[in-house]
Amino acid sequence: DTGVSQDPRHKITKRGQNVTFRCDPISEHNRLYWYRQTLGQGPEFLTYFQNEAQLEKSRLLSDRFSAERPKGSFSTLEIQRTEQGDSAMYLCASSLARNEAFFGQGTRLTVV
Amino acid sequence: KNQVEQSPQSLIILEGKNCTLQCNYTVSPFSNLRWYKQDTGRGPVSLTIMTFSENTKSNGRYTATLDADTKQSSLHITASQLSDSASYICVVSGNDYKLSFGAGTTVTVRA
Repeated sequence: DTGVSQDPRHKITKRGQNVTFRCDPISEHNRLYWYRQTLGQGPEFLTYFQNEAQLEKSRLLSDRFSAERPKGSFSTLEIQRTEQGDSAMYLCASSLARNEAFFGQGTRLTVV
Repeated sequence: KNQVEQSPQSLIILEGKNCTLQCNYTVSPFSNLRWYKQDTGRGPVSLTIMTFSENTKSNGRYTATLDADTKQSSLHITASQLSDSASYICVVSGNDYKLSFGAGTTVTVRA
């Protein structure tokens, strides 16, 4: 499968725990995006990487959120001290320059 | 305020019937407009992408239109099938990297 891959697909965690998600983009894509989607809503922008540089971080993200893309390949999104409001689908997408963005299957996070 | 508004929020149609979804946007400058289909619990999958100069684009039973002057787009589904049940999301791209998403229209096709 040469599409965008996200891991894990589902994560259930207790409030206060830290979680980390991984995204493997399509190999030649230089742009990588993270979005968050709650039930019945469209995806909301979280952050954007061009190669290894994180060029923008949404105001939606608190200091508990951090994202990295070492070497401009895969990316990780970490949430520290999770809260119930963090429960959502976390989507990763990649694109080559301004071309079409391809999405992964998402990671469904449930904070209990 | 969201820069991409979709209507209706949801609709139910009988198998074999047609339907049309609407998207109005205020994103400026404008680069392209995409329609994505999202099945429950899955990531969005692209259906069509249109630039400023394109008025219509088809992908099988899906036909998208774009009026860049009025900043409106529509997605028409012809001869609906049960597998068309999904959320359809309108996404507008400006002249940078950001994608502006609509909230989506949930389509339910019933036998």
